[in-house]
Amino acid sequence: DTEVTQTPKHLVMGMTNKKSLKCEQHMGHRAMYWYKQKAKKPPELMFVYSYEKLSINESVPSRFSPECPNSSLLNLHLHALQPEDSALYLCASSQRWGESSTYEQYFGPGTRLTVT
Amino acid sequence: GENVEQHPSTLSVQEGDSAVIKCTYSDSASNYFPWYKQELGKRPQLIIDIRSNVGEKKDQRIAVTLNKTAKHFSLHITETQPEDSAVYFCAARSSIGQKVTFGTGTKLQVIP
Repeated sequence: DTEVTQTPKHLVMGMTNKKSLKCEQHMGHRAMYWYKQKAKKPPELMFVYSYEKLSINESVPSRFSPECPNSSLLNLHLHALQPEDSALYLCASSQRWGESSTYEQYFGPGTRLTVT
Repeated sequence: GENVEQHPSTLSVQEGDSAVIKCTYSDSASNYFPWYKQELGKRPQLIIDIRSNVGEKKDQRIAVTLNKTAKHFSLHITETQPEDSAVYFCAARSSIGQKVTFGTGTKLQVIP
């Protein structure tokens, strides 16, 4: 299995809602990432998990809360979002984080989030 | 931190012609340079990458060149086909910060 999967594909939520995005991979990768991508822009790194521990938080607002319950799963919990948070949220994984031979990142299909 | 510039922002070529996309980076510690293709509504897909100890890499119609001294790298697509139409992102990964920084993207249109 060489795929990263994400659910849901689309999500519409109000500013007072709580929702979660899910990401899964079964490639044995020990590094997982969340990116945010606005229309016509490159992906922006949000979080990096390495061996289920948070390694990088790119000064993301606390209304985004990541969680890595095991080596195959990555969640992003959303609460009290703003309309400007509407974007495509991409999950990615790579074999390792910080090791020279294992850089390749594989992206999931993304969750298209709309905040109303 | 790393800054990656990418040009052009849009590129139109006739089918069968070549396309070249250029990127520059700022961090001399960057040692890995992937290229991603993203079709409309789809995920970014790695199409080719190059490490700092290599000057050129080729995979069928796609090639990437790297000039470490000048801190620039380029994607070359030969014999373009309509299915090559997409947004292409270059990226650079620093050996120190270890993050991947993306360029701003090039929208390639191949005209049949």
